[in-house]
Amino acid sequence: DAGVIQSPRHEVTEMGQEVTLRCKPISGHNSLFWYRQTMMRGLELLIYFNNNVPIDDSGMPEDRFSAKMPNASFSTLKIQPSEPRDSAVYFCASSLNTGGTEAFFGQGTRLTVV
Amino acid sequence: KQEVTQIPAALSVPEGENLVLNCSFTDSAIYNLQWFRQDPGKGLTSLLLIQSSQREQTSGRLNASLDKSSGRSTLYIAASQPGDSATYLCAVYNNDMRFGAGTRLTVKP
Repeated sequence: DAGVIQSPRHEVTEMGQEVTLRCKPISGHNSLFWYRQTMMRGLELLIYFNNNVPIDDSGMPEDRFSAKMPNASFSTLKIQPSEPRDSAVYFCASSLNTGGTEAFFGQGTRLTVV
Repeated sequence: KQEVTQIPAALSVPEGENLVLNCSFTDSAIYNLQWFRQDPGKGLTSLLLIQSSQREQTSGRLNASLDKSSGRSTLYIAASQPGDSATYLCAVYNNDMRFGAGTRLTVKP
């Protein structure tokens, strides 16, 4: 397996534009996590899914953020409209289940909103 | 909500030293704890996973211990090398996965 795949690797967009980040988890993994990493706040859990169902989205900072997992092999994180303070590295991770199996991370998407 | 703390925030040691990184968590009802390494500008690489029923795990020069009742884990790195320089993060699984802020390690040649 190629691991967790995120796209794009880098995204530069103007304030107010819609941004969509994509994640393909490892095949067979049932749990998927979205994180945001900044120097100030470290790694923050935004939302996680189990069997394609959102379990906890309490970490999503505002209504401008939304995440979907339409099937077991694909998830998106959307920001609309984007703001400069959304600039960060966004990571996706997957694990076999939420019962505490090993988690694997993608390489991240570095988002810059200007 | 689970709170995870890592001490120290930064550590600089000469090559060859043995060192210990610390991780503490507030809710002991965990499934497991996982240690990661992150190089600058890169993603997270899994180092060791300790299940809640285990006391320690070893991989090469790395040894991680877990004391669930006291809410603590340590990562021991033996005979440190410059290539070990990175940020080390611990993550704790309840139903979700929460991270500490990390320890930035520098190993000087």
